[in-house]
Amino acid sequence: AQTVTQSQPEMSVQEAETVTLSCTYDTSENNYYLFWYKQPPSRQMILVIRQEAYKQQNATENRFSVNFQKAAKSFSLKISDSQLGDTAMYFCAFMKLSGGSNYKLTFGKGTLLTVNP
Amino acid sequence: DGGITQSPKYLFRKEGQNVTLSCEQNLNHDAMYWYRQDPGQGLRLIYYSQIVNDFQKGDIAEGYSVSREKKESFPLTVTSAQKNPTAFYLCASSLAGGNTGELFFGEGSRLTVL
Repeated sequence: AQTVTQSQPEMSVQEAETVTLSCTYDTSENNYYLFWYKQPPSRQMILVIRQEAYKQQNATENRFSVNFQKAAKSFSLKISDSQLGDTAMYFCAFMKLSGGSNYKLTFGKGTLLTVNP
Repeated sequence: DGGITQSPKYLFRKEGQNVTLSCEQNLNHDAMYWYRQDPGQGLRLIYYSQIVNDFQKGDIAEGYSVSREKKESFPLTVTSAQKNPTAFYLCASSLAGGNTGELFFGEGSRLTVL
């Protein structure tokens, strides 16, 4: 079974600064996707960024980028130029691409990020 | 607008009662999911369905039941057998074939057992 670990329950950052959220995972699979999802106080969860394990290049989406270290099974999220609207719970998630259950995502416990003015 | 609608947003139940949470999507997605969210626990998968009239247990299915009679609908029943039902419940959907893993979530339903 896969596990996803987010070791930082809470973090805070000043507006306009950069923050990095950590995520590690454990799997014996070789083909998988990794994700960061954001759950703002309004509660609707949305996808922030996705990384395919077979790609060496780190994914980026505007101010959001990841540092994917496959050998170390590490997948951190960097938020640049933090904005007040980035305040949310962030979940790291894993999905394997083999077998019949390849639609299941395994989530970490989340990191609550607060952006301070 | 396309999306996922969960209802009700808030629900109170007495112990021993069954309650059904509604989830409807108009995204034409094949796959649908129910997750339970507790503080400090992240999201845990209750049930998922990849196609109409078929569904599988997730990691914490005990005390829950589902049906998938229509592509658009995936209701979750929290039965009296669920020992600790007070939680926030999230429904999600995704493409099936060629799935890239992106889930689309509803706004959630908060169930409180009195």
